[in-house]
Amino acid sequence: QKEVEQNSGPLSVPEGAIASLNCTYSDRGSQSFFWYRQYSGKSPELIMFIYSNGDKEDGRFTAQLNKASQYVSLLIRDSQPSDSATYLCAVKTSYDKVIFGPGTSLSVIP
Amino acid sequence: KAGVTQTPRYLIKTRGQQVTLSCSPISGHRSVSWYQQTPGQGLQFLFEYFSETQRNKGNFPGRFSGRQFSNSRSEMNVSTLELGDSALYLCASSLEGLGTGNLHEQYFGPGTRLTVT
Repeated sequence: QKEVEQNSGPLSVPEGAIASLNCTYSDRGSQSFFWYRQYSGKSPELIMFIYSNGDKEDGRFTAQLNKASQYVSLLIRDSQPSDSATYLCAVKTSYDKVIFGPGTSLSVIP
Repeated sequence: KAGVTQTPRYLIKTRGQQVTLSCSPISGHRSVSWYQQTPGQGLQFLFEYFSETQRNKGNFPGRFSGRQFSNSRSEMNVSTLELGDSALYLCASSLEGLGTGNLHEQYFGPGTRLTVT
């Protein structure tokens, strides 16, 4: 089992729809969770972080964390073509390393 | 505030050579982590430096090493380059180290694209 897994892509959604990106992790002691967006040929850009169970909203982005289920998700409301990118889930583990998932490619169709 | 900078941006080396990459973190950030990104393996953690000390290390051979200076700038060295070392090398800075508190949101630099021929 990989330490951080993400739903396989590519994920295609129409413009204006909600994009849902999922991530599961294996280290139950993990405390910090991050979502990065990476455009092709660019470096990852931090868009959300969440430490507590529940939802955290920032503009069109909502991160959801459920530590009991070892699950973290990212919702993008009113998806725009500019949201088309690879989304990386990252988890800071109990052994002080940040482990990245393989990424989910999102394509927003105009 | 200036972001994370990395030099050089692109590098071509030959097998067997060594290479040194440089990273300057965001002003005030004391932690620098290095990552290797390849299409097959994704983003993999190399090591983290905090206050000039290596705090953590990923599963890479000893050919990969690094250091951090008193101004938090960090260098990464790869010796005896292999073809498989071709990758995008990213550094990320954070305010505090990965082992301290919660202020470890990491911000990435633009990366150094290393090609080994």
